[in-house]
Amino acid sequence: TQLLEQSPQFLSIQEGENLTVYCNSSSVFSSLQWYRQEPGEGPVLLVTVVTGGEVKKLKRLTFQFGDARKDSSLHITAAQPGDTGLYLCAGRNTGTASKLTFGTGTRLQVTL
Amino acid sequence: DTAVSQTPKYLVTQMGNDKSIKCEQNLGHDTMYWYKQDSKKFLKIMFSYNNKELIINETVPNRFSPKSPDKAHLNLHINSLELGDSAVYFCASSPSGRRGETQYFGPGTRLLVL
Repeated sequence: TQLLEQSPQFLSIQEGENLTVYCNSSSVFSSLQWYRQEPGEGPVLLVTVVTGGEVKKLKRLTFQFGDARKDSSLHITAAQPGDTGLYLCAGRNTGTASKLTFGTGTRLQVTL
Repeated sequence: DTAVSQTPKYLVTQMGNDKSIKCEQNLGHDTMYWYKQDSKKFLKIMFSYNNKELIINETVPNRFSPKSPDKAHLNLHINSLELGDSAVYFCASSPSGRRGETQYFGPGTRLLVL
């Protein structure tokens, strides 16, 4: 069974701080996605990375896919209260077209 | 307007009962999924259907039976509910199930088995 470990599990920071969330696995993924889930709702896709070493930016969020396509990171600059939520990475393996394996999740709280 | 909808949103029931959760998507997608999210927020795929055909069936007890009457609907029927079935169940859909596609999630059904 593939496992995607996220760290940290919980993060509580103040508005304006920077943070990085990591997503690690021993398996290679054909693509990796990051989702954010708010309380009482389903996950919403933030980004998809498909190439080893790829970096994508979405406003204050920077996503990187590891060179070996086994890990990824999400960096948030100048966090805001609206960034609060559960961040989930999800990898799609090379063998199965549609199956996503989700990470263990990182719960972020940004306070004023 | 809702892209992926689920009913009911909350479900409280006794152990041993049989219950169904319904899911509908109006996005015209070919592929639909059921996920289970446990109390630690770990999200795990249960089933996936493409054009009404089952394509993913993870190690899920056979008390869980998905049914897809058409490609816009994927319902989940659970027999003989157990305490461990308590979780949030999410339905999702994607255009064709291919690599890199966005999956659109419903709002979830919170199931509590007493």
